Amino acid sequence: QVQLVQSGAEVKKPGASLKVSCKASGYTFTSYYMHWVRQAPGQGLEWMGVFNPNGGSTNSAQKLQGRVTMTSDTSTSTVYMELSSLRSEDTAVYYCGRGGGYSYGPDYWGQGTLVTVSS
Amino acid sequence: QSVLTQPPSASGTPGQRVTISCSGSSSNIGSNTVNWYQQLPGTAPKLLIYSNNQRPSGVPDRFSGSKSGTSASLAISGLHSEDEADYYCAARDDSLNGVVFGGGTKLTVL
Repeated sequence: QVQLVQSGAEVKKPGASLKVSCKASGYTFTSYYMHWVRQAPGQGLEWMGVFNPNGGSTNSAQKLQGRVTMTSDTSTSTVYMELSSLRSEDTAVYYCGRGGGYSYGPDYWGQGTLVTVSS
Repeated sequence: QSVLTQPPSASGTPGQRVTISCSGSSSNIGSNTVNWYQQLPGTAPKLLIYSNNQRPSGVPDRFSGSKSGTSASLAISGLHSEDEADYYCAARDDSLNGVVFGGGTKLTVL
């Protein structure tokens, strides 16, 4: 069965960088995209970007361009999302979600990673 | 401000039928298919409807989706208390070259 397991919660200081991992299993890793979506406390879902493990191409939301980097390690079927220059507004639960299965958008989701940015 | 517009709240009593609307534009719903997600408190979103009206295996047929022009709807019939959750619509946006979400609708089962 498809599973996406994310790394654990993190606390970061403003200006620092964050790297969240998402380990996939139960499907052919390079055959599907990986989306990143975040949710600030009490808020809705915000699409951050998408990564194609087959070739490494990425596309990210305009407001995050320049701060977000997505990479992968195909040997471990893991996708990484790195966000730099953190500010308090980046406090959120970060989700990875497999795309390109049922449709372009995410079908299976990771459990989420809580990131708190605080001085 | 979300690109797709949903009502912030909806409610119904057990057994009732409720609908949740999602309004977009020609660059998203008008030219791409719509997904619906259910998010129970404290959990990750779950795919409920894909390609406007298709249900992944395991999703009860009480849940149905439709799309017309630049709008879409999610209908839940025979409402259960466990349907109390946040519901989000989503679609690919050709202008933004990404996925856009609605702001979410909090469904309360009275």
